[in-house]
Amino acid sequence: EVQLVESGGGWVQPGGSLRLSCVASGFTFSSNWMSWIRQAPGKGLEWVANIKQSGSEKYYVDSVKGRFTISRDNAKNSLYLQMNSLRAEDTAVYYCARGKSGYDMWGQGTMVTVSS
Amino acid sequence: DVVMTQSPLSLPVTPGQPASISCRSSQSLVHSDGNTYLSWFQQRPGQSPRRLFYRVSTRDSGVPDRFSGSGSGTDFTLKVSRVEAEDVGLYYCMQGTHWPPTFGQGTKVEIK
Repeated sequence: EVQLVESGGGWVQPGGSLRLSCVASGFTFSSNWMSWIRQAPGKGLEWVANIKQSGSEKYYVDSVKGRFTISRDNAKNSLYLQMNSLRAEDTAVYYCARGKSGYDMWGQGTMVTVSS
Repeated sequence: DVVMTQSPLSLPVTPGQPASISCRSSQSLVHSDGNTYLSWFQQRPGQSPRRLFYRVSTRDSGVPDRFSGSGSGTDFTLKVSRVEAEDVGLYYCMQGTHWPPTFGQGTKVEIK
């Protein structure tokens, strides 16, 4: 079955860190750009970061630059998002998605709550 | 960043009737390669988003043909010829022509 499964979300205090993971199956992970997209409670969708097939190119939305790091392990069919210095405004469901800007496949999402 | 503006933001519809959502971009979405990278996504209640169309009008696999995508330049439209109960949810347009990718605010489709 073709799917993306995220994990690693949870509750964290402001200034804390979390590492999200996304495991892909059913397609050739190493051949695809991958992205993280988030959705704050009751809000719309926001692209967060993406990474090229080899990991040689990475891009971030301005609001997370210097705090978040996207990475991948093609041998493990896995995508990661290391989130540091978390802020209340980072509270959202985080989705991993296949593609650079087309997103033809999405995971079920993992909730990140930043609150004291 | 390119601003994507959807209208209406709320769309009550009667089953069996048509529905239309507009999406306007603050800049032309025609890429230098000649393609227009405009996609539509559906998000049913409690579910992840699902892509319906890419490059304006190319329908994704499994999308009913009562849905259609059209438009060019800065003006785009998602149409449903006959709304069904399963079409309830949020609909988003998204541009991938300019960096960074940006989404519209979303249009909530609900049954009257």
